[in-house]
Amino acid sequence: RKEVEQDPGPFNVPEGATVAFNCTYSNSASQSFFWYRQDCRKEPKLLMSVYSSGNEDGRFTAQLNRASQYISLLIRDSKLSDSATYLCVVRAGNTGKLIFGQGTTLQVKP
Amino acid sequence: GAGVSQTPSNKVTEKGKYVELRCDPISGHTALYWYRQSLGQGPEFLIYFQGTGAADDSGLPNDRFFAVRPEGSVSTLKIQRTERGDSAVYLCASSLTGPSTDTQYFGPGTRLTVL
Repeated sequence: RKEVEQDPGPFNVPEGATVAFNCTYSNSASQSFFWYRQDCRKEPKLLMSVYSSGNEDGRFTAQLNRASQYISLLIRDSKLSDSATYLCVVRAGNTGKLIFGQGTTLQVKP
Repeated sequence: GAGVSQTPSNKVTEKGKYVELRCDPISGHTALYWYRQSLGQGPEFLIYFQGTGAADDSGLPNDRFFAVRPEGSVSTLKIQRTERGDSAVYLCASSLTGPSTDTQYFGPGTRLTVL
């Protein structure tokens, strides 16, 4: 079983739609959680950190459920430019090691 | 300012050859990380340096892989006796100080193809 699991998709949605991605992690010692965005043939870039209280950045909302070991990302009012792969990432303890999920591909259509 | 840079951007080699991949971290960043990303997968951790020393090399797949960071800045990932299964994008990242709090910034990667 992978340490971080995501549905690879692809998710095909029209512009303006709301879309949600989910992720589960297996290591209960994980302490830090992130969503990274990766465009085709580019490097991953931090989209947002995820906190237990939930956090929002514009059209993006991230939630963490430690009891269920579950992380989510909600994108409202999707734009064409949101088309990318979204990587769920956890970091265990105080190590530098980031553990990535497989990524979920989003394609926003006009 | 300048981000993480990696050279070469692409490397094609033959099975059994030796390759070196270079990473220049963001200036002033003390922590440096190497990851490997295969097609359709997320990046996979290889090794982490704090300064000149390897603080965690648990992700190196076998003894054909080795990395150095002799002066605490530039790092080189070395792969001996390359195999077709080593083909992947090798990503380098750096962070300002301690790994537990800092954002990791990734370079564009080196795409390695082993024929």
